Amino acid sequence: RKEVEQDPGPFNVPEGATVAFNCTYSNSASQSFFWYRQDCRKEPKLLMSVYSSGNEDGRFTAQLNRASQYISLLIRDSKLSDSATYLCVVNLGSNYQLIWGAGTKLIIKP
Amino acid sequence: ETGVTQTPRHLVMGMTNKKSLKCEQHLGHNAMYWYKQSAKKPLELMFVYSLEERVENNSVPSRFSPECPNSSHLFLHLHTLQPEDSALYLCASSRYRGVGGELFFGEGSRLTVL
Repeated sequence: RKEVEQDPGPFNVPEGATVAFNCTYSNSASQSFFWYRQDCRKEPKLLMSVYSSGNEDGRFTAQLNRASQYISLLIRDSKLSDSATYLCVVNLGSNYQLIWGAGTKLIIKP
Repeated sequence: ETGVTQTPRHLVMGMTNKKSLKCEQHLGHNAMYWYKQSAKKPLELMFVYSLEERVENNSVPSRFSPECPNSSHLFLHLHTLQPEDSALYLCASSRYRGVGGELFFGEGSRLTVL
């Protein structure tokens, strides 16, 4: 089983719709969680951290479910500019052992 | 504009060549990283430097040799590479190496080994 697993997609979503995708992790000792965004042929950039209480930033909401070992990302009122690959990242411990998912590709269509 | 710059952006080399990738960060960070990104695969951490000391080397073949002369510069020296080494090589930095903290990536060096 992969340490961090994501549906590769692509998710084809009309502009204005709401889209959500999950990321599952295998190590129950995982300490912190992040979503990064990577545009085509660009570098990854931090989108948001995922806190135990959930985290909302404008149209983006991230949630953590420790019992089922997954994190989720919800995008409301999607824009064309949201088209990207979303990378799930899990930190295993104090040595900052980041484990990356392979990413979920999102395509927003007009 | 990114605070982490990588050169060259594209590199094509034969299996017998020797080349180097360069990374420079202008953010005053103390930790720097080399990652390998292959198509449809997760980022693979190759090397970590914290305060110019190599603190992690994830079983990377010896044909990849890192160098960190100071906290702002990081090199990846390449020699006798294989075609399967073709990938995007990403440099990143962070304020410290520890829990939390954001990684800032360069735009990457896309390497093709013929």
